[in-house]
Amino acid sequence: AQTVTQSQPEMSVQEAETVTLSCTYDTSENNYYLFWYKQPPSRQMILVIRQEAYKQQNATENRFSVNFQKAAKSFSLKISDSQLGDTAMYFCAFMKHSPNNDMRFGAGTRLTVKP
Amino acid sequence: SQTIHQWPATLVQPVGSPLSLECTVEGTSNPNLYWYRQAAGRGLQLLFYSVGIGQISSEVPQNLSASRPQDRQFILSSKKLLLSDSGFYLCAWSLTLGLAGGSYNEQFFGPGTRLTVL
Repeated sequence: AQTVTQSQPEMSVQEAETVTLSCTYDTSENNYYLFWYKQPPSRQMILVIRQEAYKQQNATENRFSVNFQKAAKSFSLKISDSQLGDTAMYFCAFMKHSPNNDMRFGAGTRLTVKP
Repeated sequence: SQTIHQWPATLVQPVGSPLSLECTVEGTSNPNLYWYRQAAGRGLQLLFYSVGIGQISSEVPQNLSASRPQDRQFILSSKKLLLSDSGFYLCAWSLTLGLAGGSYNEQFFGPGTRLTVL
């Protein structure tokens, strides 16, 4: 079974600074997908960024980028130029290549951006 | 465009009462559907998923059940609620791999239902 570990329950960062959230996973699969979701106080789950395991290039979305290390089974999220609106719970998720598309989520990291 | 609805948004129920949460998806056909539960300050636990009408897979044993009476409708039920059923329930959908590639692999979540069992 696949497991996803987020070792940082809480983190904080000053506005405009950079922060990195950690995620590791355990799988024997070779073909899979990784995601970071954001859950603000409204509790709506919002996709931040995704990475296909077969792609070596790290995904980027504006201020958000990942450091995908397949051999180490690591998938960290870097948020640059942090904004107050980035304050949220961040969940790392793993999905193996299957018709079900079912995801496994980490326990989450609560990020607070301080003014 | 696709949208996903959940209701009710908030629910307070006594222990032992029945439960019915509804999720509907618009703008797509034959989606995969999922029910998750999120306990306070915790991650998401997959409860059920469905790849088609009448096809339900359960991830964890519990007093909850799910049904999919129509292609884009997913219902979470219980005959008798327990205190431990309190939490935030999220419904999600995704397209089946093979029907659409690229950016459609991720799951899209509804706004959730906050359930409090007293």
